[in-house]
Amino acid sequence: DTGVSQDPRHKITKRGQNVTFRCDPISEHNRLYWYRQTLGQGPEFLTYFQNEAQLEKSRLLSDRFSAERPKGSFSTLEIQRTEQGDSAMYLCASSLESLSASSYEQYFGPGTRLTVT
Amino acid sequence: QKEVEQNSGPLSVPEGAIASLNCTYSDRGSQSFFWYRQYSGKSPELIMSIYSNGDKEDGRFTAQLNKASQYVSLLIRDSQPSDSATYLCAVTPDSSYKLIFGSGTRLLVRP
Repeated sequence: DTGVSQDPRHKITKRGQNVTFRCDPISEHNRLYWYRQTLGQGPEFLTYFQNEAQLEKSRLLSDRFSAERPKGSFSTLEIQRTEQGDSAMYLCASSLESLSASSYEQYFGPGTRLTVT
Repeated sequence: QKEVEQNSGPLSVPEGAIASLNCTYSDRGSQSFFWYRQYSGKSPELIMSIYSNGDKEDGRFTAQLNKASQYVSLLIRDSQPSDSATYLCAVTPDSSYKLIFGSGTRLLVRP
């Protein structure tokens, strides 16, 4: 049973460039979440999908950020015109929709560390 | 006021002692409560979930939930140096599946 995978693990980019990250959830999980974490803080919710539908986005999410999950499997997160303040760890998590309370349990991937210079 | 509050620590305990980590939350409608462990440079790892008032035990870990006081705690018995990490408290608000995290408590277990 493979866990959540993310690619790339590290990304260094210059300010103003666009970047795209990929997340592959645990195979049977139909919910997928994106979070961002900066040093000394807990992860901050960005958006989540149930299958291919994007059901919730953070009100703090800039319109430079867009996420897709076109076939309900892997997801991509794109940041356009990156700024130095976008430097963070971008985390993906997944969970399995079920009738039990465990459907709320989210399992995280290793993250993509973004550095904007 | 932050939605989920934790003492940042560090909390330092000797090996073999009980470590007690606390968390308060502001949304009275919160449904689910989690503790994640995060080692430096790594991603969060789910260690406990709790959904109803009372205690839930799993090995050396016990999670405690008091919805009336909006309080969640994690006890780690027989603490080991390998338990040294940041412990993140997370809750799901009413009508959402997203997690709201606290800033974490750093735990140091001294050999």
